[in-house]
Amino acid sequence: AQSVTQLDSQVPVFEEAPVELRCNYSSSVSVYLFWYVQYPNQGLQLLLKYLSGSTLVKGINGFEAEFNKSQTSFHLRKPSVHISDTAEYFCAVTRRDTGRRALTFGSGTRLQVQP
Amino acid sequence: EAGVTQSPTHLIKTRGQQATLRCSPISGHTSVYWYQQALGLGLQFLLWYDEGEERNRGNFPPRFSGRQFPNYSSELNVNALELEDSALYLCASSYTLAGERETQYFGPGTRLLVL
Repeated sequence: AQSVTQLDSQVPVFEEAPVELRCNYSSSVSVYLFWYVQYPNQGLQLLLKYLSGSTLVKGINGFEAEFNKSQTSFHLRKPSVHISDTAEYFCAVTRRDTGRRALTFGSGTRLQVQP
Repeated sequence: EAGVTQSPTHLIKTRGQQATLRCSPISGHTSVYWYQQALGLGLQFLLWYDEGEERNRGNFPPRFSGRQFPNYSSELNVNALELEDSALYLCASSYTLAGERETQYFGPGTRLLVL
């Protein structure tokens, strides 16, 4: 079974400051990793994903994440946030084998960007 | 390209009734997934359909069921509604082909309120 831990439930940050949202996972098998964003009263939008290759992954809206296999982490970063980045961010994993494709999500981190 | 669509956007039912939620995947996607986002419980996997068959099921009682139609759209049925079924129900879709099937794209959700 897989589990995902998002260490911070809320992260307040000032506009134009850098931010890092932390994600650690646990799994007995190899996984793919994802970050999704959820704006108020909306569904989930894919920010970025790590399937293979370079461990530094760039996504939409200026976000990037780094896969660290030894630390089983997949932290999300942005060098300069905007008010419009205020949302809930979810880290998720799924097994690499094809038998079970359910996403396992973390509990989410609410990013609050202040002017 | 149109995204995943879900209907209705909101649904109000009373305890004991049945609810039917609908989902249309992105054109070309053959897999459909259902997730429940309940307050305090986070995002939990419900069901996965692929090529008309149920492939995997989350830890939910049998009164949660569904089906996938020949055009790959899907229906989620919740029988004997309970108050704790109140949640946002999210549908996602993905390709079947390797290199694409890992990534799930989400719809806006159906908010179900059970009174």
